Amino acid sequence: DGGITQSPKYLFRKEGQNVTLSCEQNLNHDAMYWYRQDPGQGLRLIYYSQIVNDFQKGDIAEGYSVSREKKESFPLTVTSAQKNPTAFYLCASSYLNTEAFFGQGTRLTVV
Amino acid sequence: KQEVTQIPAALSVPEGENLVLNCSFTDSAIYNLQWFRQDPGKGLTSLLLIQSSQREQTSGRLNASLDKSSGRSTLYIAASQPGDSATYLCAPGGGGGNKLTFGTGTQLKVEL
Repeated sequence: DGGITQSPKYLFRKEGQNVTLSCEQNLNHDAMYWYRQDPGQGLRLIYYSQIVNDFQKGDIAEGYSVSREKKESFPLTVTSAQKNPTAFYLCASSYLNTEAFFGQGTRLTVV
Repeated sequence: KQEVTQIPAALSVPEGENLVLNCSFTDSAIYNLQWFRQDPGKGLTSLLLIQSSQREQTSGRLNASLDKSSGRSTLYIAASQPGDSATYLCAPGGGGGNKLTFGTGTQLKVEL
């Protein structure tokens, strides 16, 4: 089955803790993206990567970090510097300038 | 900076009606525009992709049009069904990396 897999589905973070969200795709897509969704707001871009070992900041990159060591993987770390991390996180992938496909999301809650 | 507005924000209709969902965007320098559907607590499902050189795209009961110069796109849903109930999002893609910019969506409820 081709697609995008995000894990875990639910994640709980304690204050001051770093957590990493996983995103894997087997679509052979070059580009991968991380978005954050808050109630009543549109999705906002955190980071994106067009090629292995390269990535760019989106609109709300502060408090987040990423890596792109393999074409199929684009993990997102939510650091302790992110003061309001509770949100729904969505990963997407595409060939450049073509249709984007999304994973099922990870819901992160601060406890 | 690209800004996307979707009207109406919410819509409730009886089954069988034909619907029009509107999307406007401020920057016409886009590569494409995508329409998505999102069910509560789920990820996004791609419905239609319109390239910037195209005027419309059709898939089953769905038809999307694009007027790039005026910054507008319309999603037409024919013969609506209760299973169409979801939030519909439009997202123009542009800039380096074809970044998608999202509006807040139209929340659709189709009642029996």
